[in-house]
Amino acid sequence: DAGVIQSPRHEVTEMGQEVTLRCKPISGHDYLFWYRQTMMRGLELLIYFNNNVPIDDSGMPEDRFSAKMPNASFSTLKIQPSEPRDSAVYFCASRRAGGAYEQYFGPGTRLTVT
Amino acid sequence: AQSVTQLDSHVSVSEGTPVLLRCNYSSSYSPSLFWYVQHPNKGLQLLLKYTSAATLVKGINGFEAEFKKSETSFHLTKPSAHMSDAAEYFCVVSDRSGYALNFGKGTSLLVTP
Repeated sequence: DAGVIQSPRHEVTEMGQEVTLRCKPISGHDYLFWYRQTMMRGLELLIYFNNNVPIDDSGMPEDRFSAKMPNASFSTLKIQPSEPRDSAVYFCASRRAGGAYEQYFGPGTRLTVT
Repeated sequence: AQSVTQLDSHVSVSEGTPVLLRCNYSSSYSPSLFWYVQHPNKGLQLLLKYTSAATLVKGINGFEAEFKKSETSFHLTKPSAHMSDAAEYFCVVSDRSGYALNFGKGTSLLVTP
């Protein structure tokens, strides 16, 4: 299996622009998670999906952030408009249902907003 | 609510000496606990997990951790450090559902020759 795939790996954009991050989970995984990693706040869970349905979005920082999962093999995290404080590494992870399974993380997208 | 506290932000050891990375947790239920490792500019990889089975958990690359309920601790150890162990280590607790993860702030492990 190719693992969790994220694109792009690096994104540099100007403040006010729309940014879309993409994730392809591991085939057969029922759960998909979006995390943000910054020096100040560490790793934070933003939102997660089960069978393409958002379960918990309490970690989404504000309305500028939105996430979708239109099918089992694709999810997006969108920031509109972007701000410099959104600069971070964004990770996507997936796992199977059931109690004993681990989350598999993608390589991350490093976002820089200037 | 559940949380973890990693007691050291940085740990430095010499190659071949033991590693101890400390983690305390807080949870109102019986938690699942994990240790993840992140090498520079890489994603996160699971080292080991505790899910209410054996309290001494063995993971990859010679790491192990012991769940101690009385001390609310889940410290990570390795008998002999290798240069390739230099990385950021995260102690993690799951929420009650077992799906959402709450990460500690991380411990940066430096291994010197």
